[in-house]
Amino acid sequence: NAGVMQNPRHLVRRRGQEARLRCSPMKGHSHVYWYRQLPEEGLKFMVYLQKENIIDESGMPKERFSAEFPKEGPSILRIQQVVRGDSAAYFCASSRHQGDGEKLFFGSGTQLSVL
Amino acid sequence: DQQVKQNSPSLSVQEGRISILNCDYTNSMFDYFLWYKKYPAEGPTFLISISSIKDKNEDGRFTVFLNKSAKHLSLHIVPSQPGDSAVYFCAATGSGAGSYQLTFGKGTKLSVIP
Repeated sequence: NAGVMQNPRHLVRRRGQEARLRCSPMKGHSHVYWYRQLPEEGLKFMVYLQKENIIDESGMPKERFSAEFPKEGPSILRIQQVVRGDSAAYFCASSRHQGDGEKLFFGSGTQLSVL
Repeated sequence: DQQVKQNSPSLSVQEGRISILNCDYTNSMFDYFLWYKKYPAEGPTFLISISSIKDKNEDGRFTVFLNKSAKHLSLHIVPSQPGDSAVYFCAATGSGAGSYQLTFGKGTKLSVIP
């Protein structure tokens, strides 16, 4: 009974490179949420996706960031031309239905370090 | 602009004693509050929640108290156990369709000393 799987666990990129973070939701879950935790901060909502649709991207920076959740395969959070300020832990959560907080299951996160 | 504040970055408690973790919020639209627990190298896991129509919710050793007029909530763990050592996040949201948008505090690291 696998939980939410995120990979890679750690990702190191140089400034200007692209970062791709992957998230496979729990079995039977079709709703995916991305959160970001900057150093010394709490987690902040970025984007909510269902299969093939972005439902709410109100928390995502307007430039360089994009997210998708294709019909097949994991959800991808893509950061183009990374900068040092993108260094953070990125957490993915999933739910079976559009969930309240109790029904969000979080992955272990991807720690992105930008050199 | 921090809407959810956990002013104590860390807390140490003796095993068997009570742990009290505090959280304050500023947004009057918040009406649903949650506590998450996070171990190193793992994601947050849901612990306990409370709706604004209640002032207390209990689940085993964990009790959450809500004081709406003071915009303050607290998590009590009694008795504390070494396995409770973790970072505890307070989170808040408005109810309804947008309730997946949790606003988190910065967390309090609890250390339970055997």
